[in-house]
Amino acid sequence: GAGVSQSPSNKVTEKGKDVELRCDPISGHTALYWYRQRLGQGLEFLIYFQGNSAPDKSGLPSDRFSAERTGESVSTLTIQRTQQEDSAVYLCASKLTYAGDEQYFGPGTRLTVT
Amino acid sequence: QQQVKQSPQSLIVQKGGISIINCAYENTAFDYFPWYQQFPGKGPALLIAIRPDVSEKKEGRFTISFNKSAKQFSLHIMDSQPGDSATYFCAAKTSGTYKYIFGTGTRLKVLA
Repeated sequence: GAGVSQSPSNKVTEKGKDVELRCDPISGHTALYWYRQRLGQGLEFLIYFQGNSAPDKSGLPSDRFSAERTGESVSTLTIQRTQQEDSAVYLCASKLTYAGDEQYFGPGTRLTVT
Repeated sequence: QQQVKQSPQSLIVQKGGISIINCAYENTAFDYFPWYQQFPGKGPALLIAIRPDVSEKKEGRFTISFNKSAKQFSLHIMDSQPGDSATYFCAAKTSGTYKYIFGTGTRLKVLA
């Protein structure tokens, strides 16, 4: 079946603009994650959704970052007033249930802030 | 205590050789240890995973060795191929919870 999809695949924006990144998880997956990956770095946890609630937002770097999820489907990560240090690949992952072990990643959105 | 330490940071191996990447953890509550493979421009993909009830798991050329007493686990890639060139991440998690703790990644290059 279809995997996790993310859009856009690439986004170039000017400093100070807002951006919205989209994630479509695997159908039926209740758990959804957002991660940030800076160039050559590991995965930095941003936020976790169970259904449409976010019990763990501890990884969001600042109040410029927010995320929503509609039911058990699409999630959007919004970055307001982008800064150059926001440049990174933003990865979304989903898994079947809260207690499940296997998470599946999307291809990521490469964000470049000029 | 939540960290997973991964080494080496980068690795160069000749074609046909064995690639070995190591990870160490502190939290004894971890009981699920996956390895992810990431090609440039792609998201990480689950490669192989192990639970602490076994000391080794093999899938094709990929083997995880697990040492519970030392709190270490490693990925062995036998007969390494240029197509294996990628970044590899280890991770750890406690079953029944949602949070994965990732290692910092190892960039593997297999020379033709």
